[in-house]
Amino acid sequence: GDSVTQMEGPVTLSEEAFLTINCTYTATGYPSLFWYVQYPGEGLQLLLKATKADDKGSNKGFEATYRKETTSFHLEKGSVQVSDSAVYFCALSPGIIFGKGTRLHILP
Amino acid sequence: EAGVVQSPRYKIIEKKQPVAFWCNPISGHNTLYWYLQNLGQGPELLIRYENEEAVDDSQLPKDRFSAERLKGVDSTLKIQPAELGDSAVYLCASSLGRVNYNEQFFGPGTRLTVL
Repeated sequence: GDSVTQMEGPVTLSEEAFLTINCTYTATGYPSLFWYVQYPGEGLQLLLKATKADDKGSNKGFEATYRKETTSFHLEKGSVQVSDSAVYFCALSPGIIFGKGTRLHILP
Repeated sequence: EAGVVQSPRYKIIEKKQPVAFWCNPISGHNTLYWYLQNLGQGPELLIRYENEEAVDDSQLPKDRFSAERLKGVDSTLKIQPAELGDSAVYLCASSLGRVNYNEQFFGPGTRLTVL
């Protein structure tokens, strides 16, 4: 069946560091891909999405490119801030499958 | 605009007791989802509604879990009887149409503890 695998956390970085959180997927057909974020004490919210191969989703300085050839959707940000500390989930649909989440800690 | 509303936020019960969770989606959103989220894991879909019809309930443990969405708006998820392993956060989400193309909005969740 369909599945999502993302890198284990926690990931700890210093402020202004470059961030990559890896996500790979297994799916039949052509899924849509998503990154969700859960800030401390808040509900899940959509960060970005891509609905077809080679699409790039972007939001709040985060980017991810839908790579069909490598079945990947890695999340990147050039310069992280303390406020980016949260849990990040990679997901695909249809079927709405979530990865296990990666906790990110940014140190000032 | 109000977001997805869930109640209660927290619930503690003893095993074998029944429990119910309520969700009010964003106005106008015809698609409603219930998820289960265990600690340190991602959400797992339990059931998806398109209006009042359950279109995907393949992951719902039907021996003890039930759900309804009367009139295609509010929804209730019930567990009877609850087991220790049901302790988790139960999330409700809604979207305007299919999630492939429309953003899914999540509620704050109900944290269930079964003793």
